[in-house]
Amino acid sequence: GAGVSQSPSNKVTEKGKDVELRCDPISGHTALYWYRQSLGQGLEFLIYFQGNSAPDKSGLPSDRFSAERTGGSVSTLTIQRTQQEDSAVYLCASSFGTGGPEYFGAGTRLSVL
Amino acid sequence: GENVEQHPSTLSVQEGDSAVIKCTYSDSASNYFPWYKQELGKRPQLIIDIRSNVGEKKDQRIAVTLNKTAKHFSLHITETQPEDSAVYFCAASKSFGNEKLTFGTGTRLTIIP
Repeated sequence: GAGVSQSPSNKVTEKGKDVELRCDPISGHTALYWYRQSLGQGLEFLIYFQGNSAPDKSGLPSDRFSAERTGGSVSTLTIQRTQQEDSAVYLCASSFGTGGPEYFGAGTRLSVL
Repeated sequence: GENVEQHPSTLSVQEGDSAVIKCTYSDSASNYFPWYKQELGKRPQLIIDIRSNVGEKKDQRIAVTLNKTAKHFSLHITETQPEDSAVYFCAASKSFGNEKLTFGTGTRLTIIP
């Protein structure tokens, strides 16, 4: 596609429910990143995929967070048993893994009630 | 891990004047430094980046300078215009395009007409 695509754009859920957020990177980009941006805050790194290498999960805040990337393209970020503090905008970015800047999607705004 | 500090957190300048935003980083292994502009409710957009093999890079009204010895880099916007109003984030990475970004906390720039 022309850019990084994320869905849904908005998600409202109840505390304790599981949610799945989807990211479709730019075609040909082998690197994919997830970040979280809380209201009025900077971007916090969550997880990074590069080709077939093991992902860098060092930014995941708890074991309720997980992510997969199937076929080296689309990625899904899953948050289990959501808490109110999980409310944020979840941003996905992709880049050419051999060198190139990161381009961001429009994000998914998650609200946990 | 890497730590990026950004100053000021808010900045107001008269239209036509220059704006300067400064960032420092902690990890001497970092060698790639992008700047992103984020308008309200929008995705972060890359506006300029610099790699550690150069000290300065310019693109029309925007320039970035890098001092590797002091581990700081700055964004300079000249002849500011109302559309420059946004939140600006600096970031640092150990590799260009295949490593996570560590972001500063952002600067809210307001251009006063």
